[in-house]
Amino acid sequence: EPEVTQTPSHQVTQMGQEVILRCVPISNHLYFYWYRQILGQKVEFLVSFYNNEISEKSEIFDDQFSVERPDGSNFTLKIRSTKLEDSAMYFCASSVGQGETEAFFGQGTRLTVV
Amino acid sequence: GQQLNQSPQSMFIQEGEDVSMNCTSSSIFNTWLWYKQDPGEGPVLLIALYKAGELTSNGRLTAQFGITRKDSFLNISASIPSDVGIYFCAGQKDYGGSQGNLIFGKGTKLSVKP
Repeated sequence: EPEVTQTPSHQVTQMGQEVILRCVPISNHLYFYWYRQILGQKVEFLVSFYNNEISEKSEIFDDQFSVERPDGSNFTLKIRSTKLEDSAMYFCASSVGQGETEAFFGQGTRLTVV
Repeated sequence: GQQLNQSPQSMFIQEGEDVSMNCTSSSIFNTWLWYKQDPGEGPVLLIALYKAGELTSNGRLTAQFGITRKDSFLNISASIPSDVGIYFCAGQKDYGGSQGNLIFGKGTKLSVKP
């Protein structure tokens, strides 16, 4: 069964460093998303991406965040200068598109900022 | 921001019992989704609901999209130990064909006594 894959599964980084989280969405999906989940809390939307541009973003997604689809398969989230409060699980998700709005999530990347 | 009120926050039940949880919102959603999350994993889609009043089953799971479009419930019949986990509702709006982001509830933590 097709699935969203994310790498790495766990990333530890020093405060102020840049990190790139990687995702390979399901191949025929057109919409891509990043969500995050701080430990013990609910899942929060960060950004959606369609047709090579951001279609929607939350107030969490500030200038420190960026997304990119560098090739036909990868979808990345970059955090330019990490802060302690960026520590969370980051989930990538994808969906087919119009009329079928089921978003399928990856296993997540646990980001720990020290 | 928009919030979904999910209840109960947690529940302990005996194996074999039926479970019910629900989500309410002050906003109208076009889609309701129910996810289950196991520790350290990403949310896994259980049921998707697209029409007001829709009642959908997936094995022992049944979910309904409220007539007002502001609520949804999930029932689990004859619970078993592997039903343990956190269940999230998520609502989604469509914006003229563009995929809206998912707004998640805070989750219902289900624990089953064997």
